Amino acid sequence: AQSVTQPDIHITVSEGASLELRCNYSYGATPYLFWYVQSPGQGLQLLLKYFSGDTLVQGIKGFEAEFKRSQSSFNLRKPSVHWSDAAEYFCAVAPRTPLVFGKGTRLSVIA
Amino acid sequence: EAGVAQSPRYKIIEKRQSVAFWCNPISGHATLYWYQQILGQGPKLLIQFQNNGVVDDSQLPKDRFSAERLKGVDSTLKIQPAKLEDSAVYLCASSLQTSGAYEQYFGPGTRLTVT
Repeated sequence: AQSVTQPDIHITVSEGASLELRCNYSYGATPYLFWYVQSPGQGLQLLLKYFSGDTLVQGIKGFEAEFKRSQSSFNLRKPSVHWSDAAEYFCAVAPRTPLVFGKGTRLSVIA
Repeated sequence: EAGVAQSPRYKIIEKRQSVAFWCNPISGHATLYWYQQILGQGPKLLIQFQNNGVVDDSQLPKDRFSAERLKGVDSTLKIQPAKLEDSAVYLCASSLQTSGAYEQYFGPGTRLTVT
């Protein structure tokens, strides 16, 4: 069965520092890959997605992610974190239509 | 463009009571999804509609959960009777078509607390 692993439950970074959130997936082929962000009391907002082509994808709010087939990974990065980035981040894969989500990584940002 | 609308935003009920959630997807979106998000976990698909037909309900606890999408637009999700473990956020999402390539747009969710 398809699965998504986000190994970090909670990460704390200082404002202005760089960020990398890890995501690994288990699937026989290359699925569609997504990163969503969820702020408290809000629904999920799509940050970026990978379908094919260039393995480095750019998203909204200054985020980017890199697909590495050999590692079955799709890590999310941001060069400089802002306090407003504090939220829950979910990696998801779509082997077909239902999205399969990881358990999420909660990001805290400190001054 | 209006987003996915859900109501109510919050609901508190006692176990064994019934509850219903409503979702209005983005206009023109053929596919509608209901997800359950338990605290500390990622959303899990409950049911997926394509227009007014069910595409996938394999993870819907059919002994207590039901959903319908009349006329292929709005949808309701019902729980009867509720159990303590049903406490969660129920998210509705919609997309243009049924394919992993189409972005899913999520509503704000309904937070259900069963006491």
